[in-house]
Amino acid sequence: EVLLTQSPGTLSLSPGDRATLSCRASQSVGTSLAWYQQKGGQAPRLLIYDTSTRATGTPARFSGSGSGTDFTLSISSLEPEDFAVYYCQQRSSWPPGITFGPGTRLEVK
Amino acid sequence: QVQLVESGGEVKKPGASVKVSCQASGYTFTSYGVSWVRQAPGQGLEWMGWISAYNGNTDYAQKFQGRVTMTRDTSTSTVYMELRSLRSDDTALYYCARDISTGWLGYLDQWGQGTLVTVSS
Repeated sequence: EVLLTQSPGTLSLSPGDRATLSCRASQSVGTSLAWYQQKGGQAPRLLIYDTSTRATGTPARFSGSGSGTDFTLSISSLEPEDFAVYYCQQRSSWPPGITFGPGTRLEVK
Repeated sequence: QVQLVESGGEVKKPGASVKVSCQASGYTFTSYGVSWVRQAPGQGLEWMGWISAYNGNTDYAQKFQGRVTMTRDTSTSTVYMELRSLRSDDTALYYCARDISTGWLGYLDQWGQGTLVTVSS
């Protein structure tokens, strides 16, 4: 089973700052990695899949990169609505499966 | 627009079973698979399994094998998740979520609002 770790656990930044969130897999997942945003009391929202493809409606300030075991979600200039918890997620084709990372909380400094 | 609407919250005693429904609308139901993901209070996300709305094939996370059953009813565009032998640590918000692609891709782009299942004696 692939395990995902995320760092930092909490990131404190100000609007307008650049955010860099990391996700590391216990073994190579190729580029089969996604990022979700979850705000309080809401369901998660898919932001990025296949490492770097923005989902429909994801603003261009969100970008993803990486491959193998190390991945990054970058937010170029934080907007007030970006402060939330972010989860990375890997998928496997066979057997079908999904694993989530523990999340990074992005909070206002 | 695509919507996934889950059934209402449930309170169950330890050892009981719960069956949660998720009714889909706004798209061709049989063209997309649906996963179930749960989130314990204040915790992260945990994938439970997936069902193909097309043919009813399922794949369950190893942790839930033998305790979970996912089914679907194409006449009502509804998927169901039944969890048996409930324990207190099954207390969580249970989400249904649609796969981004037809078949299995493993990315979830549409989510229900979540159903709170509380297990307490």
